[in-house]
Amino acid sequence: TQLLEQSPQFLSIQEGENLTVYCNSSSVFSSLQWYRQEPGEGPVLLVTVVTGGEVKKLKRLTFQFGDARKDSSLHITAAQPGDTGLYLCALLQGAQKLVFGQGTRLTINP
Amino acid sequence: SAVISQKPSRDICQRGTSLTIQCQVDSQVTMMFWYRQQPGQSLTLIATANQGSEATYESGFVIDKFPISRPNLTFSTLTVSNMSPEDSSIYLCSVEWGLGRSYGYTFGSGTRLTVV
Repeated sequence: TQLLEQSPQFLSIQEGENLTVYCNSSSVFSSLQWYRQEPGEGPVLLVTVVTGGEVKKLKRLTFQFGDARKDSSLHITAAQPGDTGLYLCALLQGAQKLVFGQGTRLTINP
Repeated sequence: SAVISQKPSRDICQRGTSLTIQCQVDSQVTMMFWYRQQPGQSLTLIATANQGSEATYESGFVIDKFPISRPNLTFSTLTVSNMSPEDSSIYLCSVEWGLGRSYGYTFGSGTRLTVV
């Protein structure tokens, strides 16, 4: 059983559309991180959310941490081709073990 | 955050041989982490490397297959031994940084390994 369930696994949309990616767990977690990985590169940290109900904005990206701290979402407004990549949520299991969701492979078509 | 230099960036290897991947960090770090990313998949932690002690391996990964060295606080190597086509993956090293909301992990750019 996956500790973190991400959905959808694949998403292909047109430039200018909005989208939401979800990350869910059956367990409560203290914090959650979102990463984006582009081909040929390692994942790059986008945000860390810590407080239940927290909302963080990063330009056109909005990250939300659920009130019960068991889920999180990433919303992209007016998607652009540069947003294409693999989006990964991750949480800390134990002291320093980072566990990743399966990832959402996003393609934005011009 | 730290900057990691990882090499090689890619390699094509014959089955039965071994490949050593190197990671150099621009600052001293206590722990370095090694991940595997199989084709089209997410990242899975292989092991955690502490300077001056043996690496700690995750379930499904063993030292004989993935020996790790950590000679100092800025450098680590991962060897993929006796390779088979099933070892074809991207291998990444990582370090942690920051605290609280500024806490996260920095990754190397990865080594894309193809075993033929």
